[in-house]
Amino acid sequence: NAGVTQTPKFQVLKTGQSMTLQCAQDMNHEYMSWYRQDPGMGLRLIHYSVGAGITDQGEVPNGYNVSRSTTEDFPLRLLSAAPSQTSVYFCASSTTEGNTIYFGEGSWLTVV
Amino acid sequence: DQQVKQNSPSLSVQEGRISILNCDYTNSMFDYFLWYKKYPAEGPTFLISISSIKDKNEDGRFTVFLNKSAKHLSLHIVPSQPGDSAVYFCAARAAGGTSYGKLTFGQGTILTVHP
Repeated sequence: NAGVTQTPKFQVLKTGQSMTLQCAQDMNHEYMSWYRQDPGMGLRLIHYSVGAGITDQGEVPNGYNVSRSTTEDFPLRLLSAAPSQTSVYFCASSTTEGNTIYFGEGSWLTVV
Repeated sequence: DQQVKQNSPSLSVQEGRISILNCDYTNSMFDYFLWYKKYPAEGPTFLISISSIKDKNEDGRFTVFLNKSAKHLSLHIVPSQPGDSAVYFCAARAAGGTSYGKLTFGQGTILTVHP
């Protein structure tokens, strides 16, 4: 019962570096999404995907890229990290009904 | 513009008593509401949900009430237990199409249940 798996759990980056946060789900869910959590602001949607080959922007997409080549995987790319991207990132997935959305355990990213 | 608001950053209750967490929303397109519980260093865990066609949904110690006219929902936990201490997030989803996978979250309320 892996559910939604995120890697890495912790990462420190220097400003300007690039990296990819990995997300995989084994529930055959069509919908996948990325959120970031910042103090006092709850979780905010970065990008989402309704199926392989289809992605769209959420509330805070700037500075992030995504792709969805398979149903299982939905990586989040930071092309040039900035201190404002220091946050906790959560990947989520759900069925097309969307009545229950499952989250991964989070990735803590610090940009110095 | 915060479309989902949890105006109480924290709540402290005694074990065995009722915990009431509140949530307000502004977007009339929201038709499905969820509550998530989050422990430190873990991802949010689904707790309970309610569709806009209902005004109440119950699951064990947890009950969610929805007042559509007031755009207000609340989560009741009875009786509260120390293990319920966590951050509780209210979330909302708009109707239709690709909105099913997109949630709008409130800021969260830290619940502390004292033994």
